[in-house]
Parts: sequence; C-alpha cells; structure tokens
Amino acid sequence: QQQVKQSPQSLIVQKGGISIINCAYENTAFDYFPWYQQFPGKGPALLIAIRPDVSEKKEGRFTISFNKSAKQFSLHIMDSQPGDSATYFCAARKSNYQLIWGAGTKLIIKP
Amino acid sequence: DTEVTQTPKHLVMGMTNKKSLKCEQHMGHRAMYWYKQKAKKPPELMFVYSYEKLSINESVPSRFSPECPNSSLLNLHLHALQPEDSALYLCASSQGIGLGQPQHFGDGTRLSIL
Repeated sequence: QQQVKQSPQSLIVQKGGISIINCAYENTAFDYFPWYQQFPGKGPALLIAIRPDVSEKKEGRFTISFNKSAKQFSLHIMDSQPGDSATYFCAARKSNYQLIWGAGTKLIIKP
Repeated sequence: DTEVTQTPKHLVMGMTNKKSLKCEQHMGHRAMYWYKQKAKKPPELMFVYSYEKLSINESVPSRFSPECPNSSLLNLHLHALQPEDSALYLCASSQGIGLGQPQHFGDGTRLSIL
C-alpha cells in the first residue's frame, strides 16, 4: 500500500531519443508526485512534479504523464542528451513531511 | 550550486569517535530534513524539523542525534557509529509542509565508518 514501484532499473537510450520511466502506486491518498534527478556525488534535485488532478505536465523536454485510474505515472525525456545521464527517482507524497520513493532508474544516454 | 549547504563533504571516523554533520539554508524555509542514502538506493527519511521542533523521528538509533539551533541550521551529531552507518547523509529543506512545497536537497556528506 505504501510502495511506489519504479521501472526499469536501468535504461540506455541513444542521443536524441525518448527516455521513458514508469512508476505505479497503490495508495490513493497520495496527493503529489515529484520526480528527482540525481547525478553522482550530488543530492537529488527536483525535476518536475504533478498533482493527481492533472493528466500531463510539461517543462521543456521533460513531461509527466499521470493516469489516475491506473495509478500510474511516467516521466518522458524528449530529445535525450548525454547530460541527462543520471539516476531518476519518482516519489509520492504520503503526508506533510514524507515522500515514498521509487527504487530509482539509472539512465545512460549514448552519444 | 545547491542552496542547501552541507559540511563536511567527506568524513571518515572510527566507531568510538564523536563528530557532527552540519547543514545550512538561507531560503527562509521552515522545515528541514535529514536523510540517509545507501549506494544505488533512494533516500531514507531519518528526521524532520518543522519550525525548529522535531516533528518526526523515523525510529533512528540513538547514536544519531539531531539538533536545530535556529531556522537556518541543522546538525546531526554522531557517536559510536557502526560500519553499516556508512552512507551519504543528505539534508533537505522546504518552505513549509503543505502540498506542493518541494524539498530542496544539499549534496550530502559522504560518511565512512572504519
């Protein structure tokens, strides 16, 4: 009930391609879904976030698609670049303080 | 550069040592967090301070002792740690605790216990 399941664990995409990372959840009380990007040796940085009353949010090359009925959400990175190579975490807000995190996806963009 | 500053960046200590990790933010945020992150894993919440008061302690062993001296500073005091405590310790802050107020992370302290 409290888990967020993230897939794939790792992903290799050619430069210019579309990277897609998926997350699924069970708890319908989750009310905020952020994506974090983490480079080696750095802390996670908020990339983009969505609320469940919105089906899609786009910021530059990054888009979150949200399917409330399926309890799934995904991150799409258009025109993927080598600089996008990082670990991506989805998360869901459980309460005022607590995020439930996905296991992470290591993304490699090949030049 | 991140707006949440953590020092030191790296720390090596023995199991009998006492050390402290420091975190500072000047964004006027009123909630501050400590997380522990093991390699290839997501961050795990340890403590939350809201308005300088401890709000959440996620069943963390007493060898970790948090302190919030003021609204900009957060410390984590370490004593008698175990080798399994080796990890990246992340500090985060948020403007408040309401919906849509994201957590901003520092770059962490890489802690190694000998």
